[in-house]
Amino acid sequence: GESVGLHLPTLSVQEGDNSIINCAYSNSASDYFIWYKQESGKGPQFIIDIRSNMDKRQGQRVTVLLNKTVKHLSLQIAATQPGDSAVYFCADYSSGGSYIPTFGRGTSLIVHP
Amino acid sequence: GAVVSQHPSRVICKSGTSVKIECRSLDFQATTMFWYRQFPKQSLMLMATSNEGSKATYEQGVEKDKFLINHASLTLSTLTVTSAHPEDSSFYICSARVEVDGYTFGSGTRLTVV
Repeated sequence: GESVGLHLPTLSVQEGDNSIINCAYSNSASDYFIWYKQESGKGPQFIIDIRSNMDKRQGQRVTVLLNKTVKHLSLQIAATQPGDSAVYFCADYSSGGSYIPTFGRGTSLIVHP
Repeated sequence: GAVVSQHPSRVICKSGTSVKIECRSLDFQATTMFWYRQFPKQSLMLMATSNEGSKATYEQGVEKDKFLINHASLTLSTLTVTSAHPEDSSFYICSARVEVDGYTFGSGTRLTVV
């Protein structure tokens, strides 16, 4: 299948700042997207998801934006905290596909106190 | 929420020996589980799809005789790394499908082969 990629490998921010992590996908048939957070030595944790019939979805301190025209996905974290330091992956699925998540390379978010 | 328990979290073994990693769904039945491998600072790479009661489906390039997968019950899938070599050292993660669009991941196993 086609891959999901990430723009930036590392993002450093100050505590309290807003963080934006970007992701590009190539499969035009993808209709469901999930952001995962992976802390060092642990498995991925679900953060937020969005379907292709939506442009924006908000959670607690997190917002996911989807631009289907340019096949771009972003994760915004408000008031970033040291506990947000982790690697963030986006994954795409296709309802016509295998429903197995394909992970991008990941962006390492480093939050400085 | 649905929880997947994976153990051991860390294991060190000698070259040539075999290591078994277990993945259990604690409060739900998982007919399908997935096994991933992750190298440092890299993404998760799908190794195989484990199906309860049937043979696992391996991704291209994954040696099925080296990475034995057994999914004998609806709550347990195991990955056995046979005749381990140092290049098999990696972080192995299992995942279970919770619903059509939902997945939950185990906490991972750090395998070091010396």
